[in-house]
Amino acid sequence: QKEVEQDPGPLSVPEGAIVSLNCTYSNSAFQYFMWYRQYSRKGPELLMYTYSSGNKEDGRFTAQVDKSSKYISLFIRDSQPSDSATYLCAMSRNNDMRFGAGTRLTVKP
Amino acid sequence: DTGVSQDPRHKITKRGQNVTFRCDPISEHNRLYWYRQTLGQGPEFLTYFQNEAQLEKSRLLSDRFSAERPKGSFSTLEIQRTEQGDSAMYLCASSFPAVPAYEQYFGPGTRLTVT
Repeated sequence: QKEVEQDPGPLSVPEGAIVSLNCTYSNSAFQYFMWYRQYSRKGPELLMYTYSSGNKEDGRFTAQVDKSSKYISLFIRDSQPSDSATYLCAMSRNNDMRFGAGTRLTVKP
Repeated sequence: DTGVSQDPRHKITKRGQNVTFRCDPISEHNRLYWYRQTLGQGPEFLTYFQNEAQLEKSRLLSDRFSAERPKGSFSTLEIQRTEQGDSAMYLCASSFPAVPAYEQYFGPGTRLTVT
């Protein structure tokens, strides 16, 4: 079993839809929970991070962490074609970071 | 552009050849990380430097792989006797010293194809 599980998709939604992306994990020692966005042939870029359980909102993006269920989510409201990318969840403890496989999202105009 | 840069962006090599990749981190970032990403997977940690000291190496970093950061600035990753299974994107990231691991800034990667 992988430490971080993420449905690879692909996920295709119409413009304006609400997108829900999820990951589960097995290591309860993880402290920081991140979402990265990766465009084709580019390196990942950090979108949001959350420390411990709770919600965090940044514009159209909301990150949720439920440590009791070992489950994290990223919601994208009013999705745009420019949001089309692969979204990677990641979690870390100290300098040890683990990534999910990534979910490929396509937002159609 | 003051981001992390990697060179070359693409490398095609024949099995058995040696290859070397270079990473230039953001200036004043003293932490530097190497990752490998295969198609359809997330990045996997390979190794990590703080200044010139290599502090951690993954089990994924076999004896054929070696990384250096001689002056605490740029870093090189060398793969000797390449195998087809080495085909992947090799990503470099850097960060400031006193921040959690999540604040890593990634470069565009070097895509290696071993034929």
